[in-house]
Amino acid sequence: QVRLVESGGGVVLPGRSLRLSCAASGFTFSNYGMHWVRQAPGKGLEWVTIISDDGKTTYYADSVKGRFTVSRDNSNNALYLEMDGLRPDDTAVFYCAKDLGRDGFWGCGSWGQGTLVTVSS
Amino acid sequence: SYVLTQPPSVSVAPGQTARITCGGVNIGRKSVHWYQQRAGQAPVLVVYDDIDRPSGIPERISGSKSEITAALTISRVDAGDEADYYCQVWDSVGDHWVFGGGTKLTVL
Repeated sequence: QVRLVESGGGVVLPGRSLRLSCAASGFTFSNYGMHWVRQAPGKGLEWVTIISDDGKTTYYADSVKGRFTVSRDNSNNALYLEMDGLRPDDTAVFYCAKDLGRDGFWGCGSWGQGTLVTVSS
Repeated sequence: SYVLTQPPSVSVAPGQTARITCGGVNIGRKSVHWYQQRAGQAPVLVVYDDIDRPSGIPERISGSKSEITAALTISRVDAGDEADYYCQVWDSVGDHWVFGGGTKLTVL
C-alpha cells in the first residue's frame, strides 16, 4: 500500500527558507517520478515541480523557478523540496505525489495528506 | 502559458449524470488526467490518459475527449460524489504540468 507522508511545514518569515520532506513507503520509490503540488487556502491545485525516477530530470512551475529546488534520495525513499526566498503568496498546503510512471508524465496516482506552509510576518 | 478552462460549478440531482468539461488549445493532442478532491482531503486520480481508470475507481466514472474538449462523466451520482474536480495536462511548450481551475460538483 502506497504511503506518502509530508513534513517540514510551518510558519516562516517572508524571504526565509524552508525544506519540506516526503517519506515514501509501500512501493519501489526509485522506479517512479515524484511531484510536488500545492494548494493555497480556498484555491485550486497548482503543480510545483516534478523529478524523474533517477533524479536527473526536473521541471518547475514558472512561479517557483529559481527559488525552489526538488531532490530525492532513492536509498532512503525520500523526496525533498528546498524553498528559498519565500513570499506570502507561497502560503499553501504542499502535497507530494507519486507519478504512475518513471519520468513524471503519467499523472499523480497517489498523494500524501499534505503539509501547510504559511509565509507571514 | 497553457490554460485549461473548466466551469466553476455543476449541479445535479441524485441518480442523474454529471458532465464536467475541460477546454484547452489542441487538447485533443494531449493526455488528460482527472482528479477528485473531497472537502478536507487530498486529491485522488480518477481518470488518466483521457479514458483509463485506476484500480478502485468505479465504472460509472468515465473520461472522454474530442479535438477541443475533454470531459469527465459521472453516472448515477450520489452524495459521495460531491467534490471538486480538476483536469490536468502536460504543456510540452512550457515544460510544465497545468491544472484546470476546478469544478465544484454539487449534488442537490
